[in-house]
Amino acid sequence: GQQLNQSPQSMFIQEGEDVSMNCTSSSIFNTWLWYKQDPGEGPVLLIALYKAGELTSNGRLTAQFGITRKDSFLNISASIPSDVGIYFCAGLVTSGTYKYIFGTGTRLKVLA
Amino acid sequence: DTAVSQTPKYLVTQMGNDKSIKCEQNLGHDTMYWYKQDSKKFLKIMFSYNNKELIINETVPNRFSPKSPDKAHLNLHINSLELGDSAVYFCASSQLWGAVKSQYFGPGTRLLVL
Repeated sequence: GQQLNQSPQSMFIQEGEDVSMNCTSSSIFNTWLWYKQDPGEGPVLLIALYKAGELTSNGRLTAQFGITRKDSFLNISASIPSDVGIYFCAGLVTSGTYKYIFGTGTRLKVLA
Repeated sequence: DTAVSQTPKYLVTQMGNDKSIKCEQNLGHDTMYWYKQDSKKFLKIMFSYNNKELIINETVPNRFSPKSPDKAHLNLHINSLELGDSAVYFCASSQLWGAVKSQYFGPGTRLLVL
């Protein structure tokens, strides 16, 4: 099935560092979602974006809906050990021909 | 109380069998979903129901059939199980389809087909 390109695929960072990841597509979406999944758990919705150019924060997380509507970005500031996990983006088209496509995931590991 | 529950949590079965996974949400949400996560952790939506109406039906084999008896339940029935069906299946619900401001996932059902 189709997956969105998400990068980096994985990263090791030091505690306290900022993290950036992005999701790109050849298709246009009208909604972008960012999730985090801990081992053995279901994904948790972190941030939802509905408008091109929108910038939304949730604590230390900030996400942006790209102006081309084909990409989205997630930043984590001052990472802590509990940020470890897999981060997924998802692009949605919520009218007409519905689409809901996930990115390939970014595996984040934080070194204390 | 668990917001989105799935049963069973683990399911081990033989090829060719028919099985069902149940999902219930107690959040009063209008939209429910089924997802499949494979061994490489890739996630894919399978189905979505909004107010008991099927709105997403991705290209999954027709051996998979969702059933929504009411807005709080979305069950997944799988006929003639195959080895490739082994995966983790997640159910989720959200308040709205289209403006997904709150969405909650169940704990997953780990299906192993032998």
